[in-house]
Amino acid sequence: DTAVSQTPKYLVTQMGNDKSIKCEQNLGHDTMYWYKQDSKKFLKIMFSYNNKELIINETVPNRFSPKSPDKAHLNLHINSLELGDSAVYFCASSPTGTTTDTQYFGPGTRLTVL
Amino acid sequence: GDSVTQMEGPVTLSEEAFLTINCTYTATGYPSLFWYVQYPGEGLQLLLKATKADDKGSNKGFEATYRKETTSFHLEKGSVQVSDSAVYFCGMDTGRRALTFGSGTRLQVQP
Repeated sequence: DTAVSQTPKYLVTQMGNDKSIKCEQNLGHDTMYWYKQDSKKFLKIMFSYNNKELIINETVPNRFSPKSPDKAHLNLHINSLELGDSAVYFCASSPTGTTTDTQYFGPGTRLTVL
Repeated sequence: GDSVTQMEGPVTLSEEAFLTINCTYTATGYPSLFWYVQYPGEGLQLLLKATKADDKGSNKGFEATYRKETTSFHLEKGSVQVSDSAVYFCGMDTGRRALTFGSGTRLQVQP
C-alpha cells in the first residue's frame, strides 16, 4: 500500500511547455504539501493545503499553481516551464498540519527542462 | 531567516563504525527538530524527532539530542550497518505548518 504516491516519477520536457505532477495520499490526512529540492539538495516548502484550503504559498512564481480537488489529492501545474524549474519535487502529507506532526513523503518527481 | 545547516557528504564508514552527522539550526524561539531518512528510490521517512530543549529522539539505534545552547541536533549511531546507507535530512518546523530542511548527508556503509 503506497501511502503517498506521485506521478510521473520522471518528467523530461522542453522550455515553454506546460506540465502537471499529480499527488495522492491514502492516509486520510488533512494537510498536503509540495516541496522543491534544488540542485544543491536543499528541500524548500512551496505550498501547503489543509482540507483543500491553501495555507502556505511561499515566494513561488505564479507559473506554479497547485490544485486540490479533494483532501486526498494535491496536484501541481506548471506553466511556461523554464530551465531553472529543473528539480525534484516532493509531495507530502500530515494528519493535521501541526508543527509536531510527522510528514509522509512521496518518492519524488524528477523534472528536467531542456 | 530560519535555516538548517548539516555536514556535507558523502560520509563513508565501515560496518559497525560510530556515526555522527552534524546539524545546526537558526531560528527564533525553539522549533521542533526532526531527522528524516531517504532510502534509494523512496520518499523521505521520519527517523526521529524532538519537540523541546534537552529532549532526546531515538529510533532504530539512532539518537539525537536537542541542544538549545549550541542550537544543534546531531545524529548519532553507535554501530552502523550496510542497511543504514541512505541520505539523512535534518529539519525543523517553521511555525507555519511546514518544515525547512538541510541539504542532506549521504551515508555509505561498506561491509
